[in-house]
Amino acid sequence: EAGVAQSPRYKIIEKRQSVAFWCNPISGHATLYWYQQILGQGPKLLIQFQNNGVVDDSQLPKDRFSAERLKGVDSTLKIQPAKLEDSAVYLCASSARPSGRTRPKYNEQFFGPGTRLTVL
Amino acid sequence: AQKITQTQPGMFVQEKEAVTLDCTYDTSDPSYGLFWYKQPSSGEMIFLIYQGSYDQQNATEGRYSLNFQKARKSANLVISASQLGDSAMYFCAMRERTYSGAGSYQLTFGKGTKLSVIP
Repeated sequence: EAGVAQSPRYKIIEKRQSVAFWCNPISGHATLYWYQQILGQGPKLLIQFQNNGVVDDSQLPKDRFSAERLKGVDSTLKIQPAKLEDSAVYLCASSARPSGRTRPKYNEQFFGPGTRLTVL
Repeated sequence: AQKITQTQPGMFVQEKEAVTLDCTYDTSDPSYGLFWYKQPSSGEMIFLIYQGSYDQQNATEGRYSLNFQKARKSANLVISASQLGDSAMYFCAMRERTYSGAGSYQLTFGKGTKLSVIP
């Protein structure tokens, strides 16, 4: 089973530029998450999708961040314009409904390799 | 108040010894879950172990076990027989219902503990 795919793996931009990240979740996973992980901290949830609808975007800085999940599969996260404090790793994760009999049993989230963004 | 607290920024352990990584949590959701994830230097988050709030027994997965003390709101990770490959960041996370939709959950992470295994 293929894991969560993300691209690009690394991105360096200057402040005020725009950038977009792409995520392809595990096949069949209805829920998709975007996290921001600043160096030395744990991941912080930015936005959560259930199929193609937004479940929670309370911590998404909506003045500069946007995300979409068209057709309930792939997702893109965009930052426009970027600030220095946006330098972080952006992690995408997906999860399925727990079945109780087969993995995933715990509704655990499966993470992609992340995109490391550096804003200069 | 922080929902997940990991008080140990860094820990050292001798190879083949056991180590305990601390985690305390705070929630009003009676049906919560606790996860431990490992993050090597390569960056991916690897699921290690899960404990549900209603589980009667402490969770175990191979060399990993979770010391769950519900009344104290703690969920410490115990790694037995440490290996050099265990050197990584370890994150405790709590799953709570978001009430935004049926079956919707949110995961909140602690700040992590950096474990270094010494040969």
